[in-house]
Amino acid sequence: SQQGEEDPQALSIQEGENATMNCSYKTSINNLQWYRQNSGRGLVHLILIRSNEREKHSGRLRVTLDTSKKSSSLLITASRAADTASYFCATDAGSNYQLIWGAGTKLIIKP
Amino acid sequence: SAVISQKPSRDICQRGTSLTIQCQVDSQVTMMFWYRQQPGQSLTLIATANQGSEATYESGFVIDKFPISRPNLTFSTLTVSNMSPEDSSIYLCSACDRAHSYEQYFGPGTRLTVT
Repeated sequence: SQQGEEDPQALSIQEGENATMNCSYKTSINNLQWYRQNSGRGLVHLILIRSNEREKHSGRLRVTLDTSKKSSSLLITASRAADTASYFCATDAGSNYQLIWGAGTKLIIKP
Repeated sequence: SAVISQKPSRDICQRGTSLTIQCQVDSQVTMMFWYRQQPGQSLTLIATANQGSEATYESGFVIDKFPISRPNLTFSTLTVSNMSPEDSSIYLCSACDRAHSYEQYFGPGTRLTVT
């Protein structure tokens, strides 16, 4: 089942600009994750943020989590052509290690 | 992190036939999952593959259509049975380990086209 909604559905920016994607969810969570999927390939885990954390960094990635608003954002700074991909948020389903997936944001970086 | 391989990477099958997709993990993992993904869409969980017991299926998916095996902690198969064009999709295998909480590792996917 899907509980995450992401916006925008698609985002096209120039190389070097920052890209921000948002994710909203419906139920309480223990953690939220972001994944990247290059066209026609499997997903790659980017970052996990726990419910008691507000912000987390990994290289050019910055993730924020606002549990009061049930939302998260992923910021990619100084974007590169290689960042062109679909980005998905996923929240834990509370048991059995299953994840609930957002609809995804398709990011295109124009050279 | 675990490395996951899937076979075949893609296939074109006739209506009414069956295809078995294999998923191999390079280390023992706690959980293995099978997903379906339509192009440009999000992931839909088909089932959780349980080691040594029957898989746990999500609503809308049944064992007769999608039989799953998991004979050990590193290997699983998904069969798409009696295929129809509606089964054309990308099928993804993933795995996670309790040591790394909910982080899932994914195989490259199997692109299935049913004609």
